[in-house]
Amino acid sequence: ETGVTQTPRHLVMGMTNKKSLKCEQHLGHNAMYWYKQSAKKPLELMFVYSLEERVENNSVPSRFSPECPNSSHLFLHLHTLQPEDSALYLCASSQDGLAGRGLETQYFGPGTRLLVL
Amino acid sequence: GNSVTQMEGPVTLSEEAFLTINCTYTATGYPSLFWYVQYPGEGLQLLLKATKADDKGSNKGFEATYRKETTSFHLEKGSVQVSDSAVYFCALSNAGNNRKLIWGLGTSLAVNP
Repeated sequence: ETGVTQTPRHLVMGMTNKKSLKCEQHLGHNAMYWYKQSAKKPLELMFVYSLEERVENNSVPSRFSPECPNSSHLFLHLHTLQPEDSALYLCASSQDGLAGRGLETQYFGPGTRLLVL
Repeated sequence: GNSVTQMEGPVTLSEEAFLTINCTYTATGYPSLFWYVQYPGEGLQLLLKATKADDKGSNKGFEATYRKETTSFHLEKGSVQVSDSAVYFCALSNAGNNRKLIWGLGTSLAVNP
């Protein structure tokens, strides 16, 4: 299944580094998402983009900066992260139906395993 | 508000055993319900879904029935295989949520040969 790809798959960075996570979807969808998955916690929705416009930002710290240059690509720019930011970062996409319906199925990439030292 | 509660794991079964993973939900209106599966080292994959009461979602031998009267969406499989070892997530999506999926904590399943 290669509908949603993410690079890199693994990333180790120091707290002063700047790095970016990349997500690409090949499904023709118009909405993309960033999630954070930490052990023993529910999946946390971070950002939602619909038609390249950010429609949701769930109180995510400013050290995480998303970018959606077109409907197929989504980036998450990282700078001055903390060790507690170590997690699996998942990208997902969906075909947005009627506005606000929220019933569409989301398709996930394999994730980027991030370790902050 | 909306919430999903899954049975705690880990669940350990022998091959060919019957599987049930319980999921109950709290929601206003008529949510859609989902089961996602995460195999080791991978992202989440949609396993099955149901969009209205009494619908039965099914895929790869797994089934779940949307029971509005008990607000449940339990996942079942008649005969599990070692390759079914994974983490299973129950989730709901509601018209008022504007694209949010509300997730359970996940249930880890280990199937031994």
